[in-house]
Amino acid sequence: QKEVEQNSGPLSVPEGAIASLNCTYSDRGSQSFFWYRQYSGKSPELIMSIYSNGDKEDGRFTAQLNKASQYVSLLIRDSQPSDSATYLCAVRGYGQNFVFGPGTRLSVLP
Amino acid sequence: DAGVIQSPRHEVTEMGQEVTLRCKPISGHDYLFWYRQTMMRGLELLIYFNNNVPIDDSGMPEDRFSAKMPNASFSTLKIQPSEPRDSAVYFCASSFSSDNYGYTFGSGTRLTVV
Repeated sequence: QKEVEQNSGPLSVPEGAIASLNCTYSDRGSQSFFWYRQYSGKSPELIMSIYSNGDKEDGRFTAQLNKASQYVSLLIRDSQPSDSATYLCAVRGYGQNFVFGPGTRLSVLP
Repeated sequence: DAGVIQSPRHEVTEMGQEVTLRCKPISGHDYLFWYRQTMMRGLELLIYFNNNVPIDDSGMPEDRFSAKMPNASFSTLKIQPSEPRDSAVYFCASSFSSDNYGYTFGSGTRLTVV
């Protein structure tokens, strides 16, 4: 059974701080890693993807991947109240099927 | 592009009734996925199609659930008969057949079975 684990939160950070979201996965053959943001009552929205070990930056978001440790993270710099949402980690092995984690609820306090 | 389009947005039905959810993927996408989301179980993959052919339906909970994709621009998920435990948000998503792309989700159908 392929598993993706995340802390359910809520993770609370003050406005302007760095939010750090973590994800671990069980399948060593996993190839691609994605972060989705889901606002309450809305559908998941893709915000970052990463395929190689190391860091990938896009604006205020940085995704980090360590395949040896089977660990992927998302950093949000200068957190804003509008970043308050549930963040879903998704992992893809061979093929097109994703396995989603349970999500971490982030709350950015003004 | 209008994105992935799902209908209806909300559905309330009585236990035992048939429910049909509809999805139009993004034009050109060759994969289509049906997910169910609940607070208890999160996002669960029910079934996915490639070029209109079902590839993996191992997530379909039981025989009451069925899905079809008669052409590249339309898919249905049917529940017959519906039960209160089927209450959830059902998402359709589509993607290109490339490792470089994630899914694009539709707005979802919130199903309530009373």
